[in-house]
Amino acid sequence: AQSVTQLGSHVSVSEGALVLLRCNYSSSVPPYLFWYVQYPNQGLQLLLKYTSAATLVKGINGFEAEFKKSETSFHLTKPSAHMSDAAEYFCAVNMRNAGKSTFGDGTTLTVKP
Amino acid sequence: DTGVSQDPRHKITKRGQNVTFRCDPISEHNRLYWYRQTLGQGPEFLTYFQNEAQLEKSRLLSDRFSAERPKGSFSTLEIQRTEQGDSAMYLCASSLLQGDTQYFGPGTRLTVL
Repeated sequence: AQSVTQLGSHVSVSEGALVLLRCNYSSSVPPYLFWYVQYPNQGLQLLLKYTSAATLVKGINGFEAEFKKSETSFHLTKPSAHMSDAAEYFCAVNMRNAGKSTFGDGTTLTVKP
Repeated sequence: DTGVSQDPRHKITKRGQNVTFRCDPISEHNRLYWYRQTLGQGPEFLTYFQNEAQLEKSRLLSDRFSAERPKGSFSTLEIQRTEQGDSAMYLCASSLLQGDTQYFGPGTRLTVL
């Protein structure tokens, strides 16, 4: 079984501030982990993924995430928020022998000028 | 690589009518997934195919839902006797390998009146 919990359904930061979006997972086997971004009325776009190589994963648009097995976490960070980062972010887990991904409920990021 | 496409983008129907959605995956991808997303929630897995074989269906998927991928290329999702609770965004995704990144289409937004 696999599950994802995203702590905080809404996060608001000022432009230029650190972005931290939290994700904790549960998986019975070593998982693959993903972060996706979704803009209004669009599909999901991959930001980054963890597949058991380096625990610190760098993605697009300056985002990165760190896989911490001991904490079962995969938090997403960005050092300096831009207005264009305002969107909904989803964390997802995929067990390596499963087809489907399980998604968290999402975190809406608001960036204030 | 033209990405995953879905048709139509929007569908409004009356309760009790049947609807069919189409998904065209990335051409070399042999895995295709259907998800449903309601407001404020993450995508929820419905079913997935490897080539033309339907390998898994969610237990949440009622008998009114059926999906096909007859030639291992495009897929259709049909909902019979639609209900207001079927109103959602229906997302299609494809991947090359099991556990690999799933690339999402723009979705079909269904509104049942």
